[in-house]
Amino acid sequence: DAGVTQSPTHLIKTRGQQVTLRCSPKSGHDTVSWYQQALGQGPQFIFQYYEEEERQRGNFPDRFSGHQFPNYSSELNVNALLLGDSALYLCASSLGQPSDGYTFGSGTRLTVV
Amino acid sequence: GDSVTQMEGPVTLSEEAFLTINCTYTATGYPSLFWYVQYPGEGLQLLLKATKADDKGSNKGFEATYRKETTSFHLEKGSVQVSDSAVYFCALLKAAGNKLTFGGGTRVLVKP
Repeated sequence: DAGVTQSPTHLIKTRGQQVTLRCSPKSGHDTVSWYQQALGQGPQFIFQYYEEEERQRGNFPDRFSGHQFPNYSSELNVNALLLGDSALYLCASSLGQPSDGYTFGSGTRLTVV
Repeated sequence: GDSVTQMEGPVTLSEEAFLTINCTYTATGYPSLFWYVQYPGEGLQLLLKATKADDKGSNKGFEATYRKETTSFHLEKGSVQVSDSAVYFCALLKAAGNKLTFGGGTRVLVKP
């Protein structure tokens, strides 16, 4: 049973460019959340998707957008990249709103130069 | 707003030593509490959880007790191994909430 799968694993982009990160949730999960983890810090919540709609959003600018597809997979898009967007982006999946937490993927390491 | 505070690392220990990582939280209501572990180059793995006051979560020799009166969820292990070297994150999830709120993480290094 595959867990949460993220692609690509590493990515280097130039300031001002746009990037798309992808996530396939764990089998049976219908909810996908995205987190940004800057170096040496804890993950910060970006947003959550459920039933193909954004259900909740953290304190991130509109440059960060997402999408969820009918098969529950998800994309995170970041426009007009800044150096400060360099981070590990983690995808987490769950079934509804579980009290036992979320299953995380291994992340996509984004470096903006 | 909700927040989680962890002791700063790095914590350096010898093998078979006792490990404690302090975690306190601020939140209204009765959140669920978690410890996640992150090994180098990897994502987060759920280590243990507790969903109500006085619950004790345990896994792989690690334990943590949900203390409502002190708003704490300290992680302990009686005898650490080199393989326990990782970054540990304390987190909370509000009842009917959607997002995990994480602490800043504590790096643990266990030396042979």
